[in-house]
Amino acid sequence: AQSVTQLGSHVSVSEGALVLLRCNYSSSVPPYLFWYVQYPNQGLQLLLKYTSAATLVKGINGFEAEFKKSETSFHLTKPSAHMSDAAEYFCAVSSFSNDYKLSFGAGTTVTVRA
Amino acid sequence: KAGVTQTPRYLIKTRGQQVTLSCSPISGHRSVSWYQQTPGQGLQFLFEYFSETQRNKGNFPGRFSGRQFSNSRSEMNVSTLELGDSALYLCASREGRGQGYDYGYTFGSGTRLTVV
Repeated sequence: AQSVTQLGSHVSVSEGALVLLRCNYSSSVPPYLFWYVQYPNQGLQLLLKYTSAATLVKGINGFEAEFKKSETSFHLTKPSAHMSDAAEYFCAVSSFSNDYKLSFGAGTTVTVRA
Repeated sequence: KAGVTQTPRYLIKTRGQQVTLSCSPISGHRSVSWYQQTPGQGLQFLFEYFSETQRNKGNFPGRFSGRQFSNSRSEMNVSTLELGDSALYLCASREGRGQGYDYGYTFGSGTRLTVV
């Protein structure tokens, strides 16, 4: 079985401040991990993914995430928030044991204050 | 390269009716998955199709069904609609299944279904 927990359903940051979104996973086998972003009335856009290569993964729009097996975490960060980062962010996990289906966290809504 | 296309974008249906949603995957992608997104339940997996065969199914009643055509386009059908079926239905595609393929899915913009 696999699952994802996203800590904090809402995060508010000031423009220019660090964005940190937390994701912890549970998987009995090596996982593949993803971060998706969803803007209002749109689908999900892939930000970045971890597929057992480098543990520090760089994605689009200045985001990056680090896979930490010992902590079962895959937190998403961006050094400096921009107003356009306001959206909902989803962490997801898949593995061969679940036939590569995506299991999503509940999502974190990011608000950026001017 | 065109992305994943879902039609229609918005639908309003009456309780008890049925509905069919369409998804055209990225060219060359043979795996198509469907997800339901609601404020209460979040993103839930419905089913996956590959080479015209259902490969995985989520925990949804039999009123939810789907199919895939030889050109990889997929449709999902919901019969006897209930108010609780109101949701954003998302389609996602990827090139193949299993190891050796990109594990990330590309999602469409979704179909917003409202049941009244």
